[in-house]
Amino acid sequence: DAGVIQSPRHEVTEMGQEVTLRCKPISGHNSLFWYRQTMMRGLELLIYFNNNVPIDDSGMPEDRFSAKMPNASFSTLKIQPSEPRDSAVYFCASSPQALYQPQHFGDGTRLSIL
Amino acid sequence: QKEVEQDPGPLSVPEGAIVSLNCTYSNSAFQYFMWYRQYSRKGPELLMYTYSSGNKEDGRFTAQVDKSSKYISLFIRDSQPSDSATYLCAMSYQGGKLIFGQGTELSVKP
Repeated sequence: DAGVIQSPRHEVTEMGQEVTLRCKPISGHNSLFWYRQTMMRGLELLIYFNNNVPIDDSGMPEDRFSAKMPNASFSTLKIQPSEPRDSAVYFCASSPQALYQPQHFGDGTRLSIL
Repeated sequence: QKEVEQDPGPLSVPEGAIVSLNCTYSNSAFQYFMWYRQYSRKGPELLMYTYSSGNKEDGRFTAQVDKSSKYISLFIRDSQPSDSATYLCAMSYQGGKLIFGQGTELSVKP
């Protein structure tokens, strides 16, 4: 079975540019999560979707961040404009149903904003 | 105070040693407890999942939950160099978000 697929694996761009991260969850999973991981703050939940509907975006740092899930097999996380402090590893995860159930992670996008 | 506390290490042990990794937590509502393993430049991988108190064993891995002490542990027997990774605990309650520990970096030396 294919796991969670994220693209790109690495992204290096200049400050002010728009960045789009992509995620394909595991087929049949109804919940999708976007996390950010840094050395200082560990894993932080940014936003959570259930059945393609955003349920909790309280972790999104500011209005520069937005996320969409147009269908059950695809989600995007967009940063516009990007800033150096957005540099981190961004993970997408999915789970069969509920927020509190075990989540399955992709291998992340390593983002560097210069 | 963080809801979940985990010693970041690093922890270095010789091959074959028994490893003990621990997390403490403050929210008594937590019922679901997980351990993830994260290799360098990879995503966290679910290792163990337990509900409520007690022990769960899977091969060389044993997860323990002590709700009275708000303390969970992961034991690795006969540790191998391939076990070298960062181990994250995570926990939640029904309807709540998963809360992750900071992760403990483990190195098993041949």
